[in-house]
Amino acid sequence: DQQVKQNSPSLSVQEGRISILNCDYTNSMFDYFLWYKKYPAEGPTFLISISSIKDKNEDGRFTVFLNKSAKHLSLHIVPSQPGDSAVYFCAAGNTGTASKLTFGTGTRLQVTL
Amino acid sequence: GAVVSQHPSWVICKSGTSVKIECRSLDFQATTMFWYRQFPKKSLMLMATSNEGSKATYEQGVEKDKFLINHASLTLSTLTVTSAHPEDSSFYICSARDLLAGDIETQYFGPGTRLLVL
Repeated sequence: DQQVKQNSPSLSVQEGRISILNCDYTNSMFDYFLWYKKYPAEGPTFLISISSIKDKNEDGRFTVFLNKSAKHLSLHIVPSQPGDSAVYFCAAGNTGTASKLTFGTGTRLQVTL
Repeated sequence: GAVVSQHPSWVICKSGTSVKIECRSLDFQATTMFWYRQFPKKSLMLMATSNEGSKATYEQGVEKDKFLINHASLTLSTLTVTSAHPEDSSFYICSARDLLAGDIETQYFGPGTRLLVL
């Protein structure tokens, strides 16, 4: 049972434009969410997080939006840069479950020139 | 941000031997660390939760006698793959738990260890 889903395995965006990566979840007990960026043969790098008490969190070029009623979150990258090309994972956690995170399957973002 | 290191970054070993992977939190103390395994083109699979000073908690389907975890200090956890076989070849990644502002817990990941068992 995939509790965190990233339905788009890949996304291609032109440099300078907005990249929107989507993530859906099924477990209403999740109360915080994170986005990670991963290059091949490296560990994931933390990007941004959001608590379920918020609907938006912004950090530089990265903004995460949370729609609890739809159980949906998205990561916006504006403007997209070639160095953003990587696999992006969303992850969800519940503060009562020993800090375990449930990861989505990832979306490969390719930013083209 | 918090930095987590792993050693070695890659290892090749013969079938039947044991391999130890170290995970260190470099600039913070981590009472809890996690060990993941990633298969090609797949998501991260949590293997176990490592708690400082106590036994690790293994996920369903993970053999605790095969994947020995020790978390002897607040900055070091080790994963030992015992009697490794070719099917154990994989990319192993550790993470350490830390608190962000606003009390959101997050995990900071090490760079991973590529294991190839011949």
